[in-house]
Amino acid sequence: DQQVKQNSPSLSVQEGRISILNCDYTNSMFDYFLWYKKYPAEGPTFLISISSIKDKNEDGRFTVFLNKSAKHLSLHIVPSQPGDSAVYFCAASAFPTGTYKYIFGTGTRLKVLA
Amino acid sequence: DGGITQSPKYLFRKEGQNVTLSCEQNLNHDAMYWYRQDPGQGLRLIYYSQIVNDFQKGDIAEGYSVSREKKESFPLTVTSAQKNPTAFYLCASSVGRKDTEAFFGQGTRLTVV
Repeated sequence: DQQVKQNSPSLSVQEGRISILNCDYTNSMFDYFLWYKKYPAEGPTFLISISSIKDKNEDGRFTVFLNKSAKHLSLHIVPSQPGDSAVYFCAASAFPTGTYKYIFGTGTRLKVLA
Repeated sequence: DGGITQSPKYLFRKEGQNVTLSCEQNLNHDAMYWYRQDPGQGLRLIYYSQIVNDFQKGDIAEGYSVSREKKESFPLTVTSAQKNPTAFYLCASSVGRKDTEAFFGQGTRLTVV
Protein backbone atom coordinates (compact mmCIF):
# COMPACT_ATOMS: atom_id res chain seq x y z
CA ASP A 1 0.00 0.00 0.00
CA GLN A 2 1.76 3.10 -1.28
CA GLN A 3 0.90 5.90 1.15
CA VAL A 4 2.95 8.51 -0.73
CA LYS A 5 2.71 8.52 -4.50
CA GLN A 6 4.61 10.30 -7.20
CA ASN A 7 2.82 9.36 -10.37
CA SER A 8 5.21 10.96 -12.84
CA PRO A 9 8.42 8.96 -13.09
CA SER A 10 10.10 11.64 -15.18
CA LEU A 11 9.82 15.25 -16.28
CA SER A 12 11.77 17.32 -18.80
CA VAL A 13 11.81 21.09 -18.64
CA GLN A 14 13.66 23.78 -20.56
CA GLU A 15 16.20 25.83 -18.66
CA GLY A 16 14.65 28.99 -17.24
CA ARG A 17 11.13 27.57 -17.20
CA ILE A 18 9.15 26.34 -14.21
CA SER A 19 9.38 22.73 -13.04
CA ILE A 20 6.37 21.35 -11.19
CA LEU A 21 6.70 18.05 -9.37
CA ASN A 22 3.62 16.47 -7.85
CA CYS A 23 2.98 14.18 -4.91
CA ASP A 24 -0.18 12.60 -3.49
CA TYR A 25 -0.70 10.95 -0.14
CA THR A 26 -3.41 8.78 1.35
CA ASN A 27 -2.84 8.91 5.11
CA SER A 28 -4.66 11.87 6.66
CA MET A 29 -2.46 11.53 9.78
CA PHE A 30 0.56 12.87 7.87
CA ASP A 31 1.31 16.35 9.14
CA TYR A 32 4.76 17.18 7.81
CA PHE A 33 5.92 16.91 4.23
CA LEU A 34 9.41 17.08 2.79
CA TRP A 35 11.14 17.17 -0.57
CA TYR A 36 14.56 15.65 -1.15
CA LYS A 37 16.88 15.83 -4.13
CA LYS A 38 19.03 12.86 -5.05
CA TYR A 39 21.90 12.30 -7.45
CA PRO A 40 22.88 8.77 -8.55
CA ALA A 41 24.92 6.78 -6.01
CA GLU A 42 24.53 9.51 -3.39
CA GLY A 43 22.30 10.01 -0.39
CA PRO A 44 19.25 12.31 -0.70
CA THR A 45 19.67 15.90 0.43
CA PHE A 46 16.90 17.81 2.12
CA LEU A 47 15.41 20.57 -0.01
CA ILE A 48 12.32 22.08 1.58
CA SER A 49 9.46 21.09 3.87
CA ILE A 50 5.98 22.19 4.88
CA SER A 51 3.88 21.65 7.96
CA SER A 52 0.22 20.76 7.59
CA ILE A 53 -0.78 24.04 9.24
CA LYS A 54 0.53 25.91 6.18
CA ASP A 55 -0.38 25.79 2.51
CA LYS A 56 2.80 27.29 1.09
CA ASN A 57 6.47 27.47 1.95
CA GLU A 58 9.08 29.26 -0.09
CA ASP A 59 12.88 29.07 -0.12
CA GLY A 60 14.61 30.88 -2.94
CA ARG A 61 13.75 29.20 -6.23
CA PHE A 62 11.83 26.41 -4.47
CA THR A 63 8.21 26.62 -3.33
CA VAL A 64 6.13 23.81 -1.90
CA PHE A 65 2.34 23.98 -1.99
CA LEU A 66 0.08 21.81 0.16
CA ASN A 67 -3.58 21.10 -0.54
CA LYS A 68 -4.81 19.11 2.46
CA SER A 69 -8.32 18.56 1.18
CA ALA A 70 -6.94 16.96 -1.97
CA LYS A 71 -4.07 15.27 -0.10
CA HIS A 72 -1.73 16.72 -2.68
CA LEU A 73 1.50 18.65 -2.60
CA SER A 74 3.69 20.07 -5.29
CA LEU A 75 7.21 21.43 -5.61
CA HIS A 76 7.77 24.39 -7.92
CA ILE A 77 11.25 25.23 -9.11
CA VAL A 78 11.60 28.54 -10.90
CA PRO A 79 13.66 29.28 -12.84
CA SER A 80 14.87 25.73 -13.52
CA GLN A 81 18.60 25.27 -13.98
CA PRO A 82 20.60 22.37 -15.47
CA GLY A 83 22.03 21.68 -12.00
CA ASP A 84 18.49 20.90 -10.83
CA SER A 85 18.56 17.70 -12.89
CA ALA A 86 18.19 14.91 -10.33
CA VAL A 87 15.60 12.58 -8.82
CA TYR A 88 13.20 14.30 -6.44
CA PHE A 89 11.53 12.40 -3.62
CA CYS A 90 8.49 13.48 -1.71
CA ALA A 91 8.23 12.26 1.90
CA ALA A 92 5.71 12.48 4.72
CA SER A 93 5.75 11.94 8.44
CA ALA A 94 3.22 11.59 11.21
CA PHE A 95 5.19 12.06 14.42
CA PRO A 96 2.16 12.76 16.63
CA THR A 97 1.22 9.11 16.21
CA GLY A 98 4.55 8.21 17.77
CA THR A 99 5.85 6.35 14.77
CA TYR A 100 8.80 8.67 14.16
CA LYS A 101 9.27 7.56 10.59
CA TYR A 102 9.37 9.10 7.14
CA ILE A 103 7.50 7.53 4.23
CA PHE A 104 8.87 8.23 0.77
CA GLY A 105 7.38 8.26 -2.70
CA THR A 106 8.95 6.53 -5.69
CA GLY A 107 10.60 9.66 -7.03
CA THR A 108 10.43 11.84 -10.14
CA ARG A 109 13.48 12.21 -12.37
CA LEU A 110 13.79 15.82 -13.47
CA LYS A 111 15.86 16.71 -16.51
CA VAL A 112 16.47 20.39 -17.16
CA LEU A 113 17.49 20.97 -20.76
CA ALA A 114 20.01 23.70 -21.54
CA ASP B 1 32.21 18.15 10.51
CA GLY B 2 28.87 16.75 11.65
CA GLY B 3 27.24 14.14 9.52
CA ILE B 4 26.34 10.56 8.82
CA THR B 5 28.97 8.14 7.64
CA GLN B 6 28.15 4.91 5.88
CA SER B 7 30.82 2.41 5.12
CA PRO B 8 31.86 0.90 2.87
CA LYS B 9 30.55 2.67 -0.23
CA TYR B 10 30.63 -0.54 -2.28
CA LEU B 11 30.32 -4.05 -0.89
CA PHE B 12 30.41 -7.39 -2.65
CA ARG B 13 29.36 -10.61 -0.99
CA LYS B 14 28.71 -14.16 -2.02
CA GLU B 15 25.19 -15.50 -1.88
CA GLY B 16 24.39 -17.09 1.47
CA GLN B 17 26.73 -14.89 3.50
CA ASN B 18 25.58 -12.41 6.11
CA VAL B 19 26.96 -8.90 5.75
CA THR B 20 26.86 -5.90 8.08
CA LEU B 21 26.58 -2.32 6.85
CA SER B 22 27.92 0.39 9.10
CA CYS B 23 26.18 3.69 9.92
CA GLU B 24 27.63 6.25 12.33
CA GLN B 25 26.36 9.76 13.08
CA ASN B 26 27.86 12.58 15.13
CA LEU B 27 24.82 14.85 14.98
CA ASN B 28 23.61 13.79 18.43
CA HIS B 29 20.37 12.60 16.82
CA ASP B 30 18.08 10.29 18.74
CA ALA B 31 16.37 8.65 15.74
CA MET B 32 18.05 6.58 13.05
CA TYR B 33 16.69 4.81 9.97
CA TRP B 34 17.63 2.31 7.29
CA TYR B 35 16.14 2.54 3.82
CA ARG B 36 16.63 0.50 0.70
CA GLN B 37 16.48 1.93 -2.81
CA ASP B 38 15.69 -0.19 -5.85
CA PRO B 39 15.05 1.15 -9.35
CA GLY B 40 11.51 2.46 -9.65
CA GLN B 41 10.67 1.67 -6.03
CA GLY B 42 11.71 4.77 -4.19
CA LEU B 43 13.04 4.53 -0.65
CA ARG B 44 11.55 1.73 1.41
CA LEU B 45 11.95 1.66 5.18
CA ILE B 46 13.71 -1.40 6.61
CA TYR B 47 14.15 -0.58 10.31
CA TYR B 48 14.10 2.50 12.48
CA SER B 49 15.13 3.37 15.99
CA GLN B 50 13.77 6.21 18.09
CA ILE B 51 16.20 5.79 20.94
CA VAL B 52 19.12 3.68 22.12
CA ASN B 53 18.30 0.00 22.76
CA ASP B 54 14.99 0.27 20.93
CA PHE B 55 14.08 -0.30 17.28
CA GLN B 56 11.05 -1.13 15.17
CA LYS B 57 10.48 -2.96 11.90
CA GLY B 58 9.72 -0.93 8.85
CA ASP B 59 7.87 -2.05 5.75
CA ILE B 60 10.46 -4.55 4.48
CA ALA B 61 12.27 -5.89 7.57
CA GLU B 62 12.30 -9.56 6.58
CA GLY B 63 15.84 -10.85 6.12
CA TYR B 64 17.41 -7.92 7.97
CA SER B 65 18.48 -7.28 11.55
CA VAL B 66 19.72 -4.21 13.41
CA SER B 67 21.08 -3.16 16.78
CA ARG B 68 21.19 0.19 18.56
CA GLU B 69 23.64 -0.19 21.43
CA LYS B 70 25.03 3.32 21.08
CA LYS B 71 23.34 6.58 20.11
CA GLU B 72 25.84 7.18 17.32
CA SER B 73 25.65 3.78 15.67
CA PHE B 74 22.92 1.79 13.90
CA PRO B 75 24.43 -1.16 11.97
CA LEU B 76 22.31 -3.17 9.56
CA THR B 77 22.92 -6.87 8.95
CA VAL B 78 21.69 -8.33 5.69
CA THR B 79 21.18 -12.00 6.37
CA SER B 80 21.10 -14.96 4.00
CA ALA B 81 17.31 -14.99 4.47
CA GLN B 82 16.97 -11.79 2.44
CA LYS B 83 15.88 -12.97 -1.00
CA ASN B 84 17.05 -10.01 -3.07
CA PRO B 85 19.83 -8.29 -1.13
CA THR B 86 21.44 -6.47 -4.05
CA ALA B 87 20.41 -2.82 -3.63
CA PHE B 88 21.49 0.65 -2.57
CA TYR B 89 21.19 1.03 1.21
CA LEU B 90 20.73 4.40 2.86
CA CYS B 91 21.05 5.30 6.51
CA ALA B 92 19.45 8.44 7.94
CA SER B 93 19.07 10.19 11.26
CA SER B 94 16.88 12.90 12.75
CA VAL B 95 16.39 14.66 16.07
CA GLY B 96 13.21 12.61 16.37
CA ARG B 97 10.88 15.51 17.01
CA LYS B 98 7.87 16.83 15.17
CA ASP B 99 8.43 18.92 12.04
CA THR B 100 12.08 18.08 11.57
CA GLU B 101 13.90 16.56 8.65
CA ALA B 102 16.03 13.47 8.30
CA PHE B 103 19.62 13.63 7.11
CA PHE B 104 21.09 10.90 4.96
CA GLY B 105 24.45 9.25 4.57
CA GLN B 106 26.06 8.66 1.19
CA GLY B 107 24.78 5.12 0.91
CA THR B 108 26.26 1.65 0.48
CA ARG B 109 25.86 -0.27 -2.74
CA LEU B 110 25.62 -3.96 -1.88
CA THR B 111 26.05 -6.51 -4.65
CA VAL B 112 25.52 -10.18 -3.93
CA VAL B 113 26.98 -12.58 -6.46
